[in-house]
Amino acid sequence: GAGVSQTPSNKVTEKGKYVELRCDPISGHTALYWYRQSLGQGPEFLIYFQGTGAADDSGLPNDRFFAVRPEGSVSTLKIQRTERGDSAVYLCASSRQVTDTQYFGPGTRLTVL
Amino acid sequence: GESVGLHLPTLSVQEGDNSIINCAYSNSASDYFIWYKQESGKGPQFIIDIRSNMDKRQGQRVTVLLNKTVKHLSLQIAATQPGDSAVYFCAETRTGTASKLTFGTGTRLQVTL
Repeated sequence: GAGVSQTPSNKVTEKGKYVELRCDPISGHTALYWYRQSLGQGPEFLIYFQGTGAADDSGLPNDRFFAVRPEGSVSTLKIQRTERGDSAVYLCASSRQVTDTQYFGPGTRLTVL
Repeated sequence: GESVGLHLPTLSVQEGDNSIINCAYSNSASDYFIWYKQESGKGPQFIIDIRSNMDKRQGQRVTVLLNKTVKHLSLQIAATQPGDSAVYFCAETRTGTASKLTFGTGTRLQVTL
């Protein structure tokens, strides 16, 4: 079946702009996670959803970052007033239940100029 | 803070040989460990996992070993193939919590012909 999909695959923006990154999880998966991966590093947890609610947002670096999952399926990661340090690959993962294996999407590469 | 790390950043093996990738973890409360493979430009791909009530688990051409005494796990790849070339991450989590994964920095596996 279809895996996790993310759009866009690449996003180039200017410092100070607002961006939205989209994640479509595997159908039927109730848990959804966002991670951020800097070059040469492992992914770092940002936030996870169980259904529609953000169950743990402890990894969000500051209040410029926000994520929603209004209908318990698609999720959008929103970044306001982007900074050059936000440049990274943003990965989305989903799992059937919160304790199950997480399957990752291809990521969105964000470049802030 | 608690972290998961890898001993070797780059591992070069000949095609057909066996590969062993090592990982040390520091959180003694972790009870679920996963190996992911990440090819360039792609998201992490699940390979194999193991829970703390086991010390060995085998998949197709891969074996994961867990030594809780020294907080170490390894990934063994039998008969390494060119398609195995990638960065390998171990990740850990503690079930019953948020299930957010903590990743190490990764080991690059290079398969030579």
